Amino acid sequence: DIVMTQSPDSLAVSLGERATINCKSSQSVLYSSNNKNYLAWYQQKPGQPPKKLIYWASTRESGVPDRFSGSGSGTDFTLTISSLQAEDVAVYYCHQYYSIPFTFGPGTKVDIK
Amino acid sequence: QLQLQESGPGLVKPSETLSLTCTVSGGSINSSSYYWGCIRQPPGKGLEWIGSIYYSGSTYYNPSLKSRVTISVDTSKNQFSLKLSSVTAADTAIYYCARHSGSGTCYSPVDYWGQGTLVTVSS
Repeated sequence: DIVMTQSPDSLAVSLGERATINCKSSQSVLYSSNNKNYLAWYQQKPGQPPKKLIYWASTRESGVPDRFSGSGSGTDFTLTISSLQAEDVAVYYCHQYYSIPFTFGPGTKVDIK
Repeated sequence: QLQLQESGPGLVKPSETLSLTCTVSGGSINSSSYYWGCIRQPPGKGLEWIGSIYYSGSTYYNPSLKSRVTISVDTSKNQFSLKLSSVTAADTAIYYCARHSGSGTCYSPVDYWGQGTLVTVSS
């Protein structure tokens, strides 16, 4: 199984400041034949299902604010919220869909400082 | 707008079989573009992929659950179903129905989720 780890476990950021979440996979999720990273980011608010923010490591889902961006390749990935808003308080998960079993990171909780 | 709705008992006894039905509305399950999946989340914890199915009945399962899991599809009812046998307290979780994003492959991220249903395993 590909093990996904995230850091930090939680972070508190002032409104308007940058939040950065890191995700590492235990093996590469870059598929060489199409040069795509099989990595997505989800946002989950209390009592709600996860919402897809980013896929292919850096492609923003339609309708997702452009303050959310994803980067990285291979085994190391980052989700950045460039200017934290109150509505961004949530738990964020990275997710690999490169190999079965598909796996998720443990989550990073983002709060307002 | 595509919607997925989970239904099933909220309480299951240990050693019995958990059964969950996912009803798809606003779109056809009988599409060559999508896989449909089940994901669970123990209260306050992370996400675990259980398995996914194609309209043809082709399935992929998490090896850690494979011996206990069956996912089936009923295209006439626009539904798919999850059965998890020999449940224990460790199977207590919110169970989500989901749709993979497309291209006729399971190797794609989930883009639609149901609201989830809490299933508690307890005597």
